[in-house]
Amino acid sequence: ETGVTQTPRHLVMGMTNKKSLKCEQHLGHNAMYWYKQSAKKPLELMFVYSLEERVENNSVPSRFSPECPNSSHLFLHLHTLQPEDSALYLCASSQEGGLAGGPLLDNEQFFGPGTRLTVL
Amino acid sequence: QKEVEQNSGPLSVPEGAIASLNCTYSDRGSQSFFWYRQYSGKSPELIMSIYSNGDKEDGRFTAQLNKASQYVSLLIRDSQPSDSATYLCAARNAGKSTFGDGTTLTVKP
Repeated sequence: ETGVTQTPRHLVMGMTNKKSLKCEQHLGHNAMYWYKQSAKKPLELMFVYSLEERVENNSVPSRFSPECPNSSHLFLHLHTLQPEDSALYLCASSQEGGLAGGPLLDNEQFFGPGTRLTVL
Repeated sequence: QKEVEQNSGPLSVPEGAIASLNCTYSDRGSQSFFWYRQYSGKSPELIMSIYSNGDKEDGRFTAQLNKASQYVSLLIRDSQPSDSATYLCAARNAGKSTFGDGTTLTVKP
């Protein structure tokens, strides 16, 4: 496997179900992200993990729960979702950290193929 | 005002022409800028990154950055039908990424 992988690729769930999305990066990166992409809307950053610590939580409802057990794996646990949560969920990774003595730069992010989620 | 604003599409150009995509951003603290290409039903694919003022060329793609004007652009020379996609502009600051809505480009044979 290369790059960033996500499973499952498609998921249909009822509002009372509990499911988890999995992301794995094979790039040796130290930061991972969850994004939501809904139709006709820009990419929305949900969570950021840097060195396995959560550093960003953009007011995401508690029915979405992230988990980062190590720098290569990221999960998004889902429970009691709403139909409006139907979207493409994208995982990304990047290598963060600036040049010694220089400014910290935000590096490029590499995206996985996404999980297309439908909530009935 | 949106944090990252892209020129509204869709944009249509004939094959072989130059496609010009524009983006402005509001966060002056942004240091890194990226252009992604997203085909329908697929995830974003990085095509260019730019960190310093000026031009950066990679094959048929040229990114331009003007931090004073808070403006980023992407030029695609010799456009091909395979370039038809939605192009996303992104600005990053201290780990946070903000994406524009995207501009849909169609290259007609």
